Amino acid sequence: IAGITQAPTSQILAAGRRMTLRCTQDMRHNAMYWYRQDLGLGLRLIHYSNTAGTTGKGEVPDGYSVSRANTDDFPLTLASAVPSQTSVYFCASSVQGGGNSPLHFGNGTRLTVT
Amino acid sequence: KNQVEQSPQSLIILEGKNCTLQCNYTVSPFSNLRWYKQDTGRGPVSLTIMTFSENTKSNGRYTATLDADTKQSSLHITASQLSDSASYICVVSEGRDDKIIFGKGTRLHILP
Repeated sequence: IAGITQAPTSQILAAGRRMTLRCTQDMRHNAMYWYRQDLGLGLRLIHYSNTAGTTGKGEVPDGYSVSRANTDDFPLTLASAVPSQTSVYFCASSVQGGGNSPLHFGNGTRLTVT
Repeated sequence: KNQVEQSPQSLIILEGKNCTLQCNYTVSPFSNLRWYKQDTGRGPVSLTIMTFSENTKSNGRYTATLDADTKQSSLHITASQLSDSASYICVVSEGRDDKIIFGKGTRLHILP
């Protein structure tokens, strides 16, 4: 089934450790996004990429980095995790950047930083 | 400031009843408005999209309305089912910088 695959599904991580959340899509969408979802705050954009080879900062980029080496993959890296990064992380894609095409979301990675 | 406000924060209704969720926005210039459904433990899924010229859009038992003059939208669910228990998120796209602004969602619980 076409869509977005995120891995791992959940992770418990010690503070200070490095972690990469994986995201792969098979829809050949140009744009990809990383969001975090926290209770009471809704979905907040971390980083985005409108096309392979380009990335941009979202609303809450500090402590996170991304790369977009090809169309399908958009990994999110936490260089040195802190407890405030405990959240549910969603990867999404759309045919093109901006809001004119719907976002397709993965099922999330639940990350706990202790 | 571009904002999307949803009400109520949460809602509990009995199976078979109808309900209406509200979304007010201050996004300008307006491009489009989408409603997403998010089941527990899953990512959001798009239900409807409306542009400036559309004032109603249906998807099965879900009907969304848009009043672009008052910057309000509603999502009406008819004859609710247990599977409608989810969070419903209103998302507005801004027409100048292509930003996507999310509401915080309404958590809907359907009781048998």
